[in-house]
Amino acid sequence: DAGITQSPRHKVTETGTPVTLRCHQTENHRYMYWYRQDPGHGLRLIHYSYGVKDTDKGEVSDGYSVSRSKTEDFLLTLESATSSQTSVYFCAISEGGPAMNTEAFFGQGTRLTVV
Amino acid sequence: GESVGLHLPTLSVQEGDNSIINCAYSNSASDYFIWYKQESGKGPQFIIDIRSNMDKRQGQRVTVLLNKTVKHLSLQIAATQPGDSAVYFCAENRNNNAGNMLTFGGGTRLMVKP
Repeated sequence: DAGITQSPRHKVTETGTPVTLRCHQTENHRYMYWYRQDPGHGLRLIHYSYGVKDTDKGEVSDGYSVSRSKTEDFLLTLESATSSQTSVYFCAISEGGPAMNTEAFFGQGTRLTVV
Repeated sequence: GESVGLHLPTLSVQEGDNSIINCAYSNSASDYFIWYKQESGKGPQFIIDIRSNMDKRQGQRVTVLLNKTVKHLSLQIAATQPGDSAVYFCAENRNNNAGNMLTFGGGTRLMVKP
């Protein structure tokens, strides 16, 4: 999986609790992404990062925040988890920037269940 | 982890036959397209890509065709094998000032009958 590790792989949490998912890469790629995958919706971008401390929102960013304090780590935080955030979360990395179309490589995913 | 699961269009083919998976994309400004394969319990895996200045690109047993006029993308798999059974996603890349923004289609499940 192109040197991408997501942790935890599975988590069950209660509504209203904070949750942080971690993505760690060993490829030194500049770009990192968080997607969620739900039935009927495919993969949808939550947030992405284009460098250390540089992040921006994707199409479904409400209820999520991210941080990137170093190149290799990209954290996704649910400040107060809701049942609608039950999903499978994928981290992805890519090397290229605006002038370079390059593929994204995905991690194995984190299954999050909010009860 | 798993793919989308429910309500996916499904293509069922016989082992050894050719498979064609179709995708309609939405943004005429998209300039780069990727096909991903996702097996149960795994993340999406890159299969093949194509830039908008091309109509066709071939890989090993796979071919991607791009029709920009109707915003249509297809993935052809030759001599389909049981190991090809998976969910296939097309993704379009919309560049913005910050980088690549991949937007995914809903996926197609390919089932290969032995």
